[in-house]
Amino acid sequence: DAGVIQSPRHEVTEMGQEVTLRCKPISGHDYLFWYRQTMMRGLELLIYFNNNVPIDDSGMPEDRFSAKMPNASFSTLKIQPSEPRDSAVYFCASSARPGGYTFGSGTRLTVV
Amino acid sequence: GEDVEQSLFLSVREGDSSVINCTYTDSSSTYLYWYKQEPGAGLQLLTYIFSNMDMKQDQRLTVLLNKKDKHLSLRIADTQTGDSAIYFCAESGNQFYFGTGTSLTVIP
Repeated sequence: DAGVIQSPRHEVTEMGQEVTLRCKPISGHDYLFWYRQTMMRGLELLIYFNNNVPIDDSGMPEDRFSAKMPNASFSTLKIQPSEPRDSAVYFCASSARPGGYTFGSGTRLTVV
Repeated sequence: GEDVEQSLFLSVREGDSSVINCTYTDSSSTYLYWYKQEPGAGLQLLTYIFSNMDMKQDQRLTVLLNKKDKHLSLRIADTQTGDSAIYFCAESGNQFYFGTGTSLTVIP
C-alpha cells in the first residue's frame, strides 16, 4: 500500500483565494482525520470522518473551512477565502480504528 | 479538551539514553502512543501500549506507563543522530489527543 497520499505537497496562494487540499486514505481504513500543525498551536484536529460521515468538526476554525468525503477513497479540505493565518502544514491521517493513525506527508500551505 | 503535556526540548549525546516524558489526564485512555516526526514529514507511529500494561519493549524503545500518575515515558537506548526528531505522545480514550511534542536533538 502506498500509504496516505496528500496533494499538493506545497501550496502558495494569495489571500482571498480558494484552496483545496486532497487526501487519499489507506484502503480499508474507516477513519479519516484532518489535522493542522503550526509552531504556535501544535497539532490541532480539525475534523474526522468515520465511514465517510463527518463525526466531529468542532475543530474547524470557522465557516471558511469545509471538508468532504464523497467516498471511502477521497477527502478534501477547502478554505475559502484563504487568509495568511491559515498558513500551516495540513495533515491527513487514516486509521482502521481511532489511534493507530497513518499520516500523510502533509501539505504545506502558505497564504501571502 | 484533554491535556497531554510534554517537555518541549531534550538534548542528549549520541550513544546515551533518551527519556521523553508525557502526562495525560483522560483516565479512560485505552491505548497510549508514541509518534515520531522528522523534518518535513508526517507523524510516524513508533509504538503503543495498552492501558493495562506497565511496560513494553521494542528493540531500542522502552515504553513505561504509570497509570496511577497518568505518566507515560519513552526511553530510547543508544540514541543515534537519526533519532533527532519531534516525538509526540497521544492518548486514545473517548477522544484522541496529541501531546505538544518534544524536540529531541542528538549531539554527535
